[in-house]
Amino acid sequence: QVQLVESGGGVVQPGRSLRLACVASGFTFSDYVMHWVRQAPGKGLEWVAVIWDDGSGKYYGDSVRGRFTISRDNSKNTLYLHMNSLGGEDAAVYYCARETTVQSQSIFDFWGRGTLVTVSS
Amino acid sequence: DIQMTQSPSSVSASVGDSVTITCRASHEISSWVAWYQQKPGRAPKLLIYVASSLHSGVPSRFSGSGSGTDFTLTINSLQPEDFATYYCQQANSFPYTFGQGTKLEIK
Repeated sequence: QVQLVESGGGVVQPGRSLRLACVASGFTFSDYVMHWVRQAPGKGLEWVAVIWDDGSGKYYGDSVRGRFTISRDNSKNTLYLHMNSLGGEDAAVYYCARETTVQSQSIFDFWGRGTLVTVSS
Repeated sequence: DIQMTQSPSSVSASVGDSVTITCRASHEISSWVAWYQQKPGRAPKLLIYVASSLHSGVPSRFSGSGSGTDFTLTINSLQPEDFATYYCQQANSFPYTFGQGTKLEIK
C-alpha cells in the first residue's frame, strides 16, 4: 500500500537550517509529482512547494521562496525539503503529499503523517 | 495569487443535520477545487475534486458544487465521524492555496 513517511523534524534555533525527508513506498515514486504542505499549531493548511516527477520543475509558496528548496532522489524514493533561515513563522507540522491527476485536476490523494518543526532558541 | 475565502470558520450541528460550507475564490478557477477533511492529529483526507466529484470511498452524504468563483461542500445526515475541520483548495494555478478551514462541531 502507498506510504509516505516524513522525518527530520525537531527543535531548531532561529536562523538555522533543517532538512526534512519523505520516504515513499508502495508506488512508483518517479512517476509522481510531489508536494510539501505545512500546518502551524492550531492553524490551517499552507501549501509550501511542489516538484515535478523528474525534478525538472519546482514552485514555491510566497512565504518560503528563496529560503526553502525542494528536491528529490528517485533512486532512493525520497523527497526532501531543505529549509534555511528558519523563523518562528516556519514552526509547523510538515506533510509530504502525492499528487495524482484526475479529470485533469491535480489532487493530493495520499499524505504522510507529518513531521513537527519547532523553532526556538 | 488566488485567495480562497472559506465560511463559516466554525459551525455547530447535531447528528442527522445537514451543513453547507462555502468557499469563494478571488479569481475565476473553473472547477479546479478540492475539499479535504482533517481530524485532530491526522493528515487531511481528500473528499471532493473538480468541485463535485466524490473521491473513492467517500460516503455519498458528501457533495460538492460550484464553478467559477463560488463553491460549496454539503454534508447531509451528519454522522459522528464527520465532526472535523474542512478545507477547500484551489488547484488552478501555483501557488496552490487552501481556505482558512471550517471546524464542524457537535452541538
